[in-house]
Formats: sequence, C-alpha cells, structure tokens
Amino acid sequence: DTAVSQTPKYLVTQMGNDKSIKCEQNLGHDTMYWYKQDSKKFLKIMFSYNNKELIINETVPNRFSPKSPDKAHLNLHINSLELGDSAVYFCASSRESGEQFFGPGTRLTVL
Amino acid sequence: AQSVTQPDIHITVSEGASLELRCNYSYGATPYLFWYVQSPGQGLQLLLKYFSGDTLVQGIKGFEAEFKRSQSSFNLRKPSVHWSDAAEYFCAVDGNEKLTFGTGTRLTIIP
Repeated sequence: DTAVSQTPKYLVTQMGNDKSIKCEQNLGHDTMYWYKQDSKKFLKIMFSYNNKELIINETVPNRFSPKSPDKAHLNLHINSLELGDSAVYFCASSRESGEQFFGPGTRLTVL
Repeated sequence: AQSVTQPDIHITVSEGASLELRCNYSYGATPYLFWYVQSPGQGLQLLLKYFSGDTLVQGIKGFEAEFKRSQSSFNLRKPSVHWSDAAEYFCAVDGNEKLTFGTGTRLTIIP
C-alpha cells in the first residue's frame, strides 16, 4: 500500500563515511525528487529526475549523487559525509507537475 | 525566481478556535499552490492545492484556502481546530517544475 517508501528511516554514521538512501514509489509517477530538511525545518529541493533523466540539480555538492535505475526508484548516495549533512532527507514523486507525494523521510545523523 | 513567505513562525491557538495561516508567494505567472502538513517525526501530507478555477479550495481535515491574486496570497483556514492539528504547516509554490516551500508555521494547540 505504501506509495513512497524510503530506507532506512534512521541512519547514524561517522564523518567521512559513504552512505546510501533508497527510495521507491509505486504510484506510476514519472518524476521523483530528493529534498533536504534542515534542523530549522527548512525544506529545499536537491534533485529531480524525470523518466530516469536528471532535470533539477540545485547547487548540491558533488559528494551527493542521485541514481535512478528505473522510473520507480531514486537512490541518493553520499560520499565523505560531513557534519553539515545531518538532516532529514525526503523523497517525493509526482506526475509531470503538480502534487508531490512524499516519503516518510530518512533522518541522517553524522557524528 | 519563485519564492514563498510564511510570516508567522509559530502560532498558538485554543482548541475549538478558528485558525488562519498566512502565505504569500512570488511568481511571474499563475502558480500552482499547495499546503502541506508535517506532524512530528512524519513526512509531508498534502492538505489542499490550487491549480486554477474556483479560488476557494477545500482540503482534507476541514481545511480550506483562498487564492487571492491581487494580494499574491494563499492563506489557510480552519473554522475550529482540534488538538490533532498541532503540526508544522508548509505553503509551497510550483513553478518551472520545481516546488519551493515556505519556512513553515508551527501550530500549537492549547486546551
């Protein structure tokens, strides 16, 4: 039943490590997104993919690399994690434009 | 560039009282507008959206919002709040295939 799912829900890791967050949607949407929500609850788009093609890349450090193996999946890989990467990361999906459906979020803590 | 302003960082309302959360946007054309709600530790849930047509839109959980082009506003209202409405509320504008969020308004309900 879950429309947009993310794994893991929580991720605690050391600085310098590499980690991945996975996202899957079963809504048949063509577009998927990654957002970062900081400690002040500010939500900002990071990436958007349409039919596996990168559409939006919002001045995100190149340590962050999204990968879309197919339309239903958009994973986020982060290299050399830094303290400032600690945040909640949300995946979302939508049809071409309009209403976006959000996943439950992944809380990343970098120690 | 599109932007959204939510001037109220935190609002406290008594249970049963009416509520209005303010949202102003900046976008060159007619925007798509959204209100999302985020309960503590949860993802974002869409309350309502405006694409075109009737400027008063009804959403879930008894919420409504009115699009006022002359004021570039899309304020969220509810006639009588319930304790379960305590959450963070985000206004968002969709333009250029990108969703831009406001900084959110935290709603506290007092008995």
